[in-house]
Amino acid sequence: DGGITQSPKYLFRKEGQNVTLSCEQNLNHDAMYWYRQDPGQGLRLIYYSQIVNDFQKGDIAEGYSVSREKKESFPLTVTSAQKNPTAFYLCASGQAPSYGYTFGSGTRLTIV
Amino acid sequence: QKEVEQNSGPLSVPEGAIASLNCTYSDRGSQSFFWYRQYSGKSPELIMFIYSNGDKEDGRFTAQLNKASQYVSLLIRDSQPSDSATYLCAVNRGKGNKLVFGAGTILRVKS
Repeated sequence: DGGITQSPKYLFRKEGQNVTLSCEQNLNHDAMYWYRQDPGQGLRLIYYSQIVNDFQKGDIAEGYSVSREKKESFPLTVTSAQKNPTAFYLCASGQAPSYGYTFGSGTRLTIV
Repeated sequence: QKEVEQNSGPLSVPEGAIASLNCTYSDRGSQSFFWYRQYSGKSPELIMFIYSNGDKEDGRFTAQLNKASQYVSLLIRDSQPSDSATYLCAVNRGKGNKLVFGAGTILRVKS
């Protein structure tokens, strides 16, 4: 079945550590996105990529980094520079503007 | 002004009633509009999209778009307890198929 796989589902890390969240899709979508969701808030765009080896900052890119070496993969690294990283992270992919996104199941990151 | 605004709710309706969810947006250049449903602790799921002024129906769901007034709405007929969730409105922004999301409206359907 086609879809987007995010791992891990839950992630606990100490302050000051970098962590990498995995996102893999087999939908053959060109574009991939990372969003962050905080309680009671909408989704905020962190980074997005429309093609391999190219990506752009979203609205809240500070403290995050990404790579897009393969069409299927778009990992997100949360660095120690991110002031408040505890959140629900959602990866999505899309093929055309008209069809919206398909989301992965999300990774819940908690900094302890 | 937020780019996409929704009433946070909760909106409570009895089972079998019509639930009406509303969303306004600020960018007049937006062309694509989406409604996602998100159950607690889960990721959003696309339920409707609309591009043209007017109504679009899919089963119990109807999306309504009025570009002149910059609002989008979602009607859910014959509401069921399983419809209880947060409904997110999303609007495309600029190039790159970027979607901007509202904060969502919590819907509670009481049996």
